[in-house]
Amino acid sequence: AQSVTQLGSHVSVSEGALVLLRCNYSSSVPPYLFWYVQYPNQGLQLLLKYTSAATLVKGINGFEAEFKKSETSFHLTKPSAHMSDAAEYFCAVTVTDSWGKLQFGAGTQVVVTP
Amino acid sequence: EAGVTQFPSHSVIEKGQTVTLRCDPISGHDNLYWYRRVMGKEIKFLLHFVKESKQDESGMPNNRFLAERTGGTYSTLKVQPAELEDSGVYFCASSRGQGPLQETQYFGPGTRLLVL
Repeated sequence: AQSVTQLGSHVSVSEGALVLLRCNYSSSVPPYLFWYVQYPNQGLQLLLKYTSAATLVKGINGFEAEFKKSETSFHLTKPSAHMSDAAEYFCAVTVTDSWGKLQFGAGTQVVVTP
Repeated sequence: EAGVTQFPSHSVIEKGQTVTLRCDPISGHDNLYWYRRVMGKEIKFLLHFVKESKQDESGMPNNRFLAERTGGTYSTLKVQPAELEDSGVYFCASSRGQGPLQETQYFGPGTRLLVL
């Protein structure tokens, strides 16, 4: 079985500061990892995904994540936060024998302060 | 291209009543998924359709939940009778193909269900 853990249910960051959202996974087989974002009153939108190609994955809106097998982590970063980054972020995992069955973390709500 | 749509956006019902949620996937997407987020918890997988067939329904909580996808287009999720613990946000997603290497799951805005 696989799972993800997101550290911190709420994160506050100043505009222009680094955004760092932590995600650790557990999987007995090679995982595929995702970050989704949910803006208010909208559906989840894919930010980026790791599918065993490059370990550093670049996504939309300036976000990137690095897959570190030794640390079982897939942390999400953005060098400079913008007010529009305020949203809830979800880390998710799936494996090859459960196509489509995404397992999500509990989510991290990001607040951006001026 | 229209995204995944869900109806209704909100539903408030009393315990014991029946509610039917609808999801319209992106046109041409054979794969349709239902997920649920109970307040304060993580988003959990409910089931996966490939066209009109149930590929995986391992996440369905109990037999009060019935999902259908007649004709392989839109899907409905019926809860009958509803219980208090069924309250939450029900998300639908669709993808053209299967597997993370091939296709992204596109999510709808969700239906917020409150059972009183």
